[in-house]
Amino acid sequence: DTEVTQTPKHLVMGMTNKKSLKCEQHMGHRAMYWYKQKAKKPPELMFVYSYEKLSINESVPSRFSPECPNSSLLNLHLHALQPEDSALYLCASSSLTGANVLTFGAGSRLTVL
Amino acid sequence: QKEVEQNSGPLSVPEGAIASLNCTYSDRGSQSFFWYRQYSGKSPELIMSIYSNGDKEDGRFTAQLNKASQYVSLLIRDSQPSDSATYLCAVPSFKAAGNKLTFGGGTRVLVKP
Repeated sequence: DTEVTQTPKHLVMGMTNKKSLKCEQHMGHRAMYWYKQKAKKPPELMFVYSYEKLSINESVPSRFSPECPNSSLLNLHLHALQPEDSALYLCASSSLTGANVLTFGAGSRLTVL
Repeated sequence: QKEVEQNSGPLSVPEGAIASLNCTYSDRGSQSFFWYRQYSGKSPELIMSIYSNGDKEDGRFTAQLNKASQYVSLLIRDSQPSDSATYLCAVPSFKAAGNKLTFGGGTRVLVKP
Protein backbone atom coordinates (compact mmCIF):
# COMPACT_ATOMS: atom_id res chain seq x y z
CA ASP A 1 0.00 0.00 0.00
CA THR A 2 1.14 3.52 -0.75
CA GLU A 3 2.00 5.17 2.53
CA VAL A 4 1.04 8.67 1.38
CA THR A 5 -2.01 8.65 -0.84
CA GLN A 6 -3.03 11.58 -3.01
CA THR A 7 -6.28 11.99 -4.91
CA PRO A 8 -7.02 12.71 -7.63
CA LYS A 9 -3.97 11.79 -9.69
CA HIS A 10 -5.04 14.17 -12.45
CA LEU A 11 -7.31 17.19 -12.29
CA VAL A 12 -8.39 19.58 -15.02
CA MET A 13 -10.27 22.66 -13.93
CA GLY A 14 -11.40 25.99 -15.25
CA MET A 15 -10.44 29.27 -13.70
CA THR A 16 -13.86 29.68 -12.06
CA ASN A 17 -14.01 26.20 -10.56
CA LYS A 18 -13.58 25.16 -6.94
CA LYS A 19 -11.84 21.85 -6.39
CA SER A 20 -9.81 20.10 -3.73
CA LEU A 21 -6.75 17.91 -3.62
CA LYS A 22 -6.67 15.31 -0.87
CA CYS A 23 -3.78 13.69 0.92
CA GLU A 24 -3.79 10.95 3.52
CA GLN A 25 -0.81 9.39 5.21
CA HIS A 26 -0.73 6.02 6.95
CA MET A 27 2.66 6.35 8.61
CA GLY A 28 1.69 7.83 11.94
CA HIS A 29 3.55 11.00 11.04
CA ARG A 30 2.67 14.26 12.75
CA ALA A 31 3.85 16.65 10.04
CA MET A 32 2.44 17.06 6.56
CA TYR A 33 3.39 19.28 3.65
CA TRP A 34 2.18 20.53 0.30
CA TYR A 35 4.76 21.20 -2.40
CA LYS A 36 4.28 22.60 -5.89
CA GLN A 37 6.55 21.44 -8.69
CA LYS A 38 6.72 22.92 -12.16
CA ALA A 39 8.35 21.06 -15.03
CA LYS A 40 12.14 20.80 -14.70
CA LYS A 41 12.06 22.72 -11.43
CA PRO A 42 12.54 21.56 -7.83
CA PRO A 43 9.61 21.22 -5.44
CA GLU A 44 8.65 24.45 -3.71
CA LEU A 45 7.14 24.36 -0.25
CA MET A 46 3.64 25.80 0.02
CA PHE A 47 2.36 24.77 3.45
CA VAL A 48 3.51 22.85 6.50
CA TYR A 49 1.26 21.42 9.17
CA SER A 50 3.19 20.31 12.25
CA TYR A 51 2.77 20.58 15.99
CA GLU A 52 -0.91 21.13 15.16
CA LYS A 53 -0.06 24.44 13.54
CA LEU A 54 -0.14 25.55 9.96
CA SER A 55 2.84 27.40 8.50
CA ILE A 56 2.38 29.19 5.24
CA ASN A 57 4.89 30.20 2.61
CA GLU A 58 3.97 33.86 2.31
CA SER A 59 4.47 33.84 -1.45
CA VAL A 60 1.60 31.38 -1.93
CA PRO A 61 -1.52 33.21 -3.19
CA SER A 62 -4.75 33.00 -1.23
CA ARG A 63 -6.47 31.04 -3.98
CA PHE A 64 -4.77 28.03 -2.37
CA SER A 65 -6.23 27.13 0.99
CA PRO A 66 -5.00 24.22 3.13
CA GLU A 67 -7.15 22.31 5.57
CA CYS A 68 -6.03 19.72 8.09
CA PRO A 69 -9.04 17.77 9.46
CA ASN A 70 -6.75 15.53 11.52
CA SER A 71 -3.11 14.53 11.77
CA SER A 72 -3.35 12.04 8.90
CA LEU A 73 -5.24 14.19 6.40
CA LEU A 74 -4.19 17.35 4.60
CA ASN A 75 -6.39 18.85 1.92
CA LEU A 76 -5.65 21.67 -0.49
CA HIS A 77 -8.65 23.70 -1.61
CA LEU A 78 -8.36 25.42 -4.97
CA HIS A 79 -10.43 28.41 -6.08
CA ALA A 80 -10.13 30.82 -8.97
CA LEU A 81 -6.82 29.41 -10.12
CA GLN A 82 -4.77 30.75 -13.01
CA PRO A 83 -3.22 28.78 -15.87
CA GLU A 84 0.22 29.35 -14.35
CA ASP A 85 -0.91 27.29 -11.35
CA SER A 86 -0.81 24.21 -13.54
CA ALA A 87 1.80 21.95 -11.96
CA LEU A 88 2.41 18.75 -10.05
CA TYR A 89 1.24 19.11 -6.46
CA LEU A 90 3.08 16.87 -4.06
CA CYS A 91 1.98 15.96 -0.57
CA ALA A 92 4.57 14.69 1.90
CA SER A 93 4.72 13.65 5.51
CA SER A 94 7.42 13.26 8.11
CA SER A 95 7.89 12.57 11.75
CA LEU A 96 8.32 15.60 13.97
CA THR A 97 11.86 14.59 14.90
CA GLY A 98 12.85 13.68 11.34
CA ALA A 99 11.31 16.62 9.54
CA ASN A 100 13.77 16.47 6.65
CA VAL A 101 13.06 12.84 5.85
CA LEU A 102 10.02 13.31 3.69
CA THR A 103 7.81 10.58 2.30
CA PHE A 104 6.07 11.90 -0.77
CA GLY A 105 2.81 10.86 -2.31
CA ALA A 106 2.60 10.14 -6.02
CA GLY A 107 1.39 13.66 -6.73
CA SER A 108 -1.66 15.28 -8.26
CA ARG A 109 -1.16 16.67 -11.74
CA LEU A 110 -3.24 19.86 -12.05
CA THR A 111 -4.12 21.58 -15.30
CA VAL A 112 -5.91 24.92 -15.20
CA LEU A 113 -7.59 25.93 -18.44
CA GLN B 1 22.92 33.64 -4.44
CA LYS B 2 20.59 30.67 -4.36
CA GLU B 3 20.40 28.78 -1.08
CA VAL B 4 21.17 25.44 -2.73
CA GLU B 5 22.80 25.15 -6.15
CA GLN B 6 23.36 22.24 -8.47
CA ASN B 7 24.40 21.85 -12.08
CA SER B 8 21.26 21.06 -14.03
CA GLY B 9 22.98 18.62 -16.39
CA PRO B 10 22.24 16.39 -18.08
CA LEU B 11 25.17 14.41 -16.75
CA SER B 12 25.71 11.62 -19.21
CA VAL B 13 27.68 8.61 -17.97
CA PRO B 14 28.28 5.20 -19.52
CA GLU B 15 26.94 2.17 -17.76
CA GLY B 16 29.36 0.94 -15.11
CA ALA B 17 31.06 4.31 -14.67
CA ILE B 18 30.96 6.63 -11.65
CA ALA B 19 28.51 9.52 -11.70
CA SER B 20 29.62 12.49 -9.62
CA LEU B 21 27.08 15.11 -8.58
CA ASN B 22 27.86 18.30 -6.73
CA CYS B 23 25.81 20.66 -4.59
CA THR B 24 26.77 23.92 -2.88
CA TYR B 25 24.81 25.70 -0.18
CA SER B 26 24.88 29.22 1.18
CA ASP B 27 23.99 28.84 4.87
CA ARG B 28 27.17 28.14 6.81
CA GLY B 29 25.08 27.00 9.77
CA SER B 30 23.50 24.10 7.90
CA GLN B 31 24.05 20.83 9.73
CA SER B 32 22.26 18.21 7.69
CA PHE B 33 22.07 17.40 4.02
CA PHE B 34 19.91 15.14 1.94
CA TRP B 35 19.84 13.62 -1.52
CA TYR B 36 16.51 12.79 -3.11
CA ARG B 37 16.07 10.94 -6.38
CA GLN B 38 13.18 11.73 -8.71
CA TYR B 39 12.34 9.62 -11.72
CA SER B 40 10.55 11.36 -14.56
CA GLY B 41 6.87 11.75 -13.75
CA LYS B 42 7.32 10.39 -10.23
CA SER B 43 7.72 11.93 -6.80
CA PRO B 44 11.05 12.38 -5.00
CA GLU B 45 12.39 9.67 -2.71
CA LEU B 46 15.14 9.99 -0.13
CA ILE B 47 18.29 8.04 -0.95
CA MET B 48 20.97 9.51 1.31
CA SER B 49 21.46 11.79 4.27
CA ILE B 50 24.73 13.06 5.73
CA TYR B 51 25.43 15.08 8.84
CA SER B 52 29.21 14.93 9.43
CA ASN B 53 32.18 15.93 7.35
CA GLY B 54 33.61 13.09 5.32
CA ASP B 55 32.09 10.22 3.42
CA LYS B 56 29.02 8.12 4.01
CA GLU B 57 28.48 5.00 1.93
CA ASP B 58 25.26 3.14 1.28
CA GLY B 59 25.49 0.45 -1.36
CA ARG B 60 26.55 2.03 -4.64
CA PHE B 61 25.94 5.54 -3.29
CA THR B 62 28.49 7.66 -1.43
CA ALA B 63 27.69 11.07 -0.02
CA GLN B 64 30.58 13.42 0.71
CA LEU B 65 30.35 16.51 2.89
CA ASN B 66 32.78 19.39 3.29
CA LYS B 67 31.26 22.02 5.57
CA ALA B 68 34.26 24.35 5.33
CA SER B 69 33.80 24.59 1.58
CA GLN B 70 30.01 24.37 1.83
CA TYR B 71 29.55 21.58 -0.62
CA VAL B 72 28.06 18.15 -0.59
CA SER B 73 28.44 15.59 -3.33
CA LEU B 74 26.92 12.30 -4.34
CA LEU B 75 28.82 9.53 -6.11
CA ILE B 76 27.03 6.72 -7.86
CA ARG B 77 29.36 3.81 -8.50
CA ASP B 78 28.77 1.18 -11.18
CA SER B 79 26.04 3.35 -12.70
CA GLN B 80 23.06 1.49 -14.11
CA PRO B 81 20.42 2.64 -16.60
CA SER B 82 17.96 2.48 -13.70
CA ASP B 83 19.93 5.30 -12.05
CA SER B 84 18.78 7.67 -14.80
CA ALA B 85 16.82 10.27 -12.87
CA THR B 86 17.02 13.76 -11.45
CA TYR B 87 18.93 14.00 -8.18
CA LEU B 88 17.86 16.76 -5.80
CA CYS B 89 20.13 18.10 -3.10
CA ALA B 90 18.15 19.36 -0.09
CA VAL B 91 19.21 21.45 2.88
CA PRO B 92 17.02 22.51 5.81
CA SER B 93 16.42 26.18 6.31
CA PHE B 94 15.20 27.67 9.54
CA LYS B 95 14.75 31.20 8.27
CA ALA B 96 11.03 30.83 7.80
CA ALA B 97 8.61 29.86 10.53
CA GLY B 98 9.13 26.19 11.13
CA ASN B 99 11.48 23.86 9.34
CA LYS B 100 11.72 24.25 5.60
CA LEU B 101 13.61 21.86 3.36
CA THR B 102 15.10 23.79 0.45
CA PHE B 103 15.79 21.82 -2.71
CA GLY B 104 18.42 22.59 -5.27
CA GLY B 105 17.43 22.71 -8.91
CA GLY B 106 18.40 19.09 -9.42
CA THR B 107 20.93 17.36 -11.65
CA ARG B 108 19.58 15.14 -14.38
CA VAL B 109 21.61 11.97 -14.81
CA LEU B 110 21.50 9.83 -17.95
CA VAL B 111 23.18 6.43 -17.80
CA LYS B 112 23.77 5.04 -21.28
CA PRO B 113 24.01 1.28 -21.82
